[in-house]
Amino acid sequence: EPEVTQTPSHQVTQMGQEVILRCVPISNHLYFYWYRQILGQKVEFLVSFYNNEISEKSEIFDDQFSVERPDGSNFTLKIRSTKLEDSAMYFCASDRADTGELFFGEGSRLTVL
Amino acid sequence: AQSVAQPEDQVNVAEGNPLTVKCTYSVSGNPYLFWYVQYPNRGLQFLLKYITGDNLVKGSYGFEAEFNKSQTSFHLKKPSALVSDSALYFCAVRDRNYGQNFVFGPGTRLSVLP
Repeated sequence: EPEVTQTPSHQVTQMGQEVILRCVPISNHLYFYWYRQILGQKVEFLVSFYNNEISEKSEIFDDQFSVERPDGSNFTLKIRSTKLEDSAMYFCASDRADTGELFFGEGSRLTVL
Repeated sequence: AQSVAQPEDQVNVAEGNPLTVKCTYSVSGNPYLFWYVQYPNRGLQFLLKYITGDNLVKGSYGFEAEFNKSQTSFHLKKPSALVSDSALYFCAVRDRNYGQNFVFGPGTRLSVLP
């Protein structure tokens, strides 16, 4: 069964450092998302991406965040200067055709020290 | 603005008994409603959705949910719980007139006791 893959599974970084989280969505999917989950609880929307551009973003997704789909397969989330409160599990998700049936990756745990 | 409430942090049920996980929502327009499940150290998995049509929708693993417009609820149900159903369950809503943002509820931890 096709799946969304994310790397790294866990990253530890110092406050102020740049972090790039990578995702490979399911190959024929067209809609891509980043969510984050803090302490295994609330799942928060960050950004959605369609047709090579951001279609929607939340208040969390400020100027420190950016997304790219550089090569037609990878979908990356960059945090330019990490803060302690960025520590969370970051989930990538994709959708075949805006069906609402999101396929989530297993997540990348970010720890900011 | 969209919002989702899951009034119970934790639901405990004995194996073989019926289970209900509650969800209420608020949207300005007509909702798309979803249930996702998260097993330990895993991503979320889609269970079922309501878009339109029958108010009772059936999904994966024997789960079903009933859309009740007057009560703005979308409770998840299963007639006979299994120990393997123990997980974190998230209700989500999307306003069909407002973009692609899903708003997730805070989650309900279901424990099915043998």
